[in-house]
Amino acid sequence: QKEVEQDPGPLSVPEGAIVSLNCTYSNSAFQYFMWYRQYSRKGPELLMYTYSSGNKEDGRFTAQVDKSSKYISLFIRDSQPSDSATYLCAMRYSGGYNKLIFGAGTRLAVHP
Amino acid sequence: SAVISQKPSRDICQRGTSLTIQCQVDSQVTMMFWYRQQPGQSLTLIATANQGSEATYESGFVIDKFPISRPNLTFSTLTVSNMSPEDSSIYLCSVAGDPGNEQFFGPGTRLTVL
Repeated sequence: QKEVEQDPGPLSVPEGAIVSLNCTYSNSAFQYFMWYRQYSRKGPELLMYTYSSGNKEDGRFTAQVDKSSKYISLFIRDSQPSDSATYLCAMRYSGGYNKLIFGAGTRLAVHP
Repeated sequence: SAVISQKPSRDICQRGTSLTIQCQVDSQVTMMFWYRQQPGQSLTLIATANQGSEATYESGFVIDKFPISRPNLTFSTLTVSNMSPEDSSIYLCSVAGDPGNEQFFGPGTRLTVL
């Protein structure tokens, strides 16, 4: 069983839709949770960085962490064609431990 | 966040040869890392590049195959040695200001081994 599970999609939505992207994980020791966006032939771009449980909002993006269920989500409101990319969840342990454990990524296509 | 560049952006290499990938950051950073992104798979950490000392490798990765240098706080290289088609992948460097901080990624090097 992978430490981090993420549905690879692809997910296709119309412009303006609310998008929900999710990851589940098995190791309860993970404390920091991230979402990266990766456009084709580009490096991953950090979107959201959260610690422990709760919600964090940044513009049209909301990251949600439910540690009791070992489940994290990224919501995109008013989705735009420019949001079309692969979204990667990542997580790591607490302290100075640096290794990020990534999900496989979900491909999102937002069509006009 | 820091501006990270990688050279080359892509390359096609023959089996048995070696390729050195460079990662340059526009500001000093404490932590530099090398990841691999194989087709259809998640990113996997290869090693942490330590300035002035040997890199710290993750399980499944060895120095003879992936030698790493980090001569200063803004530059690192990863060499993929004695390449085989299974080494075809995207290689990414990432940086963090301090241990445990957010990691930012470079644009990646797309390697194809024939």
